[in-house]
Amino acid sequence: DTEVTQTPKHLVMGMTNKKSLKCEQHMGHRAMYWYKQKAKKPPELMFVYSYEKLSINESVPSRFSPECPNSSLLNLHLHALQPEDSALYLCASSHRDRGLSSYNSPLHFGNGTRLTVT
Amino acid sequence: AQSVTQLDSHVSVSEGTPVLLRCNYSSSYSPSLFWYVQHPNKGLQLLLKYTSAATLVKGINGFEAEFKKSETSFHLTKPSAHMSDAAEYFCVVSVVGSSNTGKLIFGQGTTLQVKP
Repeated sequence: DTEVTQTPKHLVMGMTNKKSLKCEQHMGHRAMYWYKQKAKKPPELMFVYSYEKLSINESVPSRFSPECPNSSLLNLHLHALQPEDSALYLCASSHRDRGLSSYNSPLHFGNGTRLTVT
Repeated sequence: AQSVTQLDSHVSVSEGTPVLLRCNYSSSYSPSLFWYVQHPNKGLQLLLKYTSAATLVKGINGFEAEFKKSETSFHLTKPSAHMSDAAEYFCVVSVVGSSNTGKLIFGQGTTLQVKP
């Protein structure tokens, strides 16, 4: 079991659907991340939130819309996805304070949502 | 530029024999280095991390890694493989002090197969 909980575990959606992925952590971490992982590949960073503000957007298409409603929750809203967006979506969190050393804090990953776009 | 190279995409060992997963890095700044493991259909789990303290780092499940600055390497080892060690392993560098502060750079991964 991980300390980062992602729901749902699996999601199948059509290209016209709207769905949301959810992530929750109660470790008091103030940095939260979305990664996309294709089979047999390393995770690719999509978004980073630091203190509930979007700090990094890795040029992700607008059909992916992140939201951080509070320090424990992270959502990823999906709309008009393409079949090539099918992947494992991983949420992670890490300690973050105002010092640079906290950027070396390890990430705690959830088990991911397996997304299939039909 | 920062980069991470995992020298083997696939490693196969017999149960009870040593494991060596190789990782080289390139960084203009003081790196922090991590090894993560990913079992099928799971998220990534931290095995160990190096952040400029002791160069020999001990992690979970009997794994350890040695930071060698002269060789820019951070190889992962375990004295005796167990069947449950079969998984994907990622070497990761975190860079602080550049425009990429806070980003993680992942290696391409090494698949560890453990044969009975």
